[in-house]
Amino acid sequence: AQKITQTQPGMFVQEKEAVTLDCTYDTSDQSYGLFWYKQPSSGEMIFLIYQGSYDEQNATEGRYSLNFQKARKSANLVISASQLGDSAMYFCAMREGSFGNEKLTFGTGTRLTIIP
Amino acid sequence: NAGVMQNPRHLVRRRGQEARLRCSPMKGHSHVYWYRQLPEEGLKFMVYLQKENIIDESGMPKERFSAEFPKEGPSILRIQQVVRGDSAAYFCASSPGLLVETQYFGPGTRLLVL
Repeated sequence: AQKITQTQPGMFVQEKEAVTLDCTYDTSDQSYGLFWYKQPSSGEMIFLIYQGSYDEQNATEGRYSLNFQKARKSANLVISASQLGDSAMYFCAMREGSFGNEKLTFGTGTRLTIIP
Repeated sequence: NAGVMQNPRHLVRRRGQEARLRCSPMKGHSHVYWYRQLPEEGLKFMVYLQKENIIDESGMPKERFSAEFPKEGPSILRIQQVVRGDSAAYFCASSPGLLVETQYFGPGTRLLVL
């Protein structure tokens, strides 16, 4: 069963607009973590933001914020004031596993294209 | 402090050959994870190693694939008798301890099987 679902295969957004990338997850663990990574065309995985399941406040890192809605099991990434350099693949991921044996499970990604 | 290093960055092999992918974790990191990314897909977990131990290899194909992380030297992901379906990007990540939120990714090795 899919544990991380990203329903938007591709998005086109005008430069300087805000953009929301959707991510829903499925877990029965009480303690888990959610991540967003950016993968530009050069291929490397760039860590953007992390939200722990017990964190009461939404995580923010510069222009990135994570809209964490625990009851809905969603962890959407919001990018404010988008820039051309934001064009990339974006992956949502969840930390899963037992203590001492944890790994990341990734979604299928959303390809974001910023239009000048 | 150098990041996670992977080499080679690009590797071309013919069907039936062996592929060896290397990962040098960040200094002070003793935990290594390997992930595979097939074209147009997300990353999929393959194996988790600590020095000289395989902790979890639940994502590794049962045949032809093996991984090690010796006491000295880099972690090695080895693929024997490669097939076209092995063509993918292979990412290594390392962490200093057990909490995966401290995981740092390398630049990946792109394997192309002709």
